Amino acid sequence: GQQVMQIPQYQHVQEGEDFTTYCNSSTTLSNIQWYKQRPGGHPVFLIQLVKSGEVKKQKRLTFQFGEAKKNSSLHITATQTTDVGTYFCAGRVGTNAGKSTFGDGTTLTVKP
Amino acid sequence: SQTIHQWPATLVQPVGSPLSLECTVEGTSNPNLYWYRQAAGRGLQLLFYSVGIGQISSEVPQNLSASRPQDRQFILSSKKLLLSDSGFYLCAWSRTGTATIYGYTFGSGTRLTVV
Repeated sequence: GQQVMQIPQYQHVQEGEDFTTYCNSSTTLSNIQWYKQRPGGHPVFLIQLVKSGEVKKQKRLTFQFGEAKKNSSLHITATQTTDVGTYFCAGRVGTNAGKSTFGDGTTLTVKP
Repeated sequence: SQTIHQWPATLVQPVGSPLSLECTVEGTSNPNLYWYRQAAGRGLQLLFYSVGIGQISSEVPQNLSASRPQDRQFILSSKKLLLSDSGFYLCAWSRTGTATIYGYTFGSGTRLTVV
């Protein structure tokens, strides 16, 4: 079945440093979504990428979708303590409403 | 605005006991509904999803079941809990046919510990 691998599993950074998490799928995706889960909380939808090579920005966050639509990345510039949490990617194959596969997430800790 | 309610927030149940978790959505009609489970330090595993009343698709064979008795109500059940059923259970909804645009909106989750 479809697999979505996410690396690294953990990332510890000093406040102000950059952070990147990578997501790789074993199959070509129709779209990829990114979520953030704060400690003790539930995942919150951040963004969706659909087009090959797509790049979207949300303030200090930059999301990319690979040309082959099998990988994606989330980059945070100049991390802040409010960025702590676990970032998940979720890849979807086709248009089936229930078929997003989540990666295991990257947990980010930020040292002030 | 749309809201999703999930309860209880935490639950401790003995092995072999039944389970019933409820999720309701307000402010929308005919949503797609989902049950996910998250093991500690892991991603989300899709358990069930529903595109309409009485329509349930199971993704993972297990001793859990789901039902959708009303348009905006989704219930996760078990007749006899196992230790391996412990985890963080999340209900989610998405707009019908537009899940690829808006993503999932998750409830606050239920932390289930089977002892």
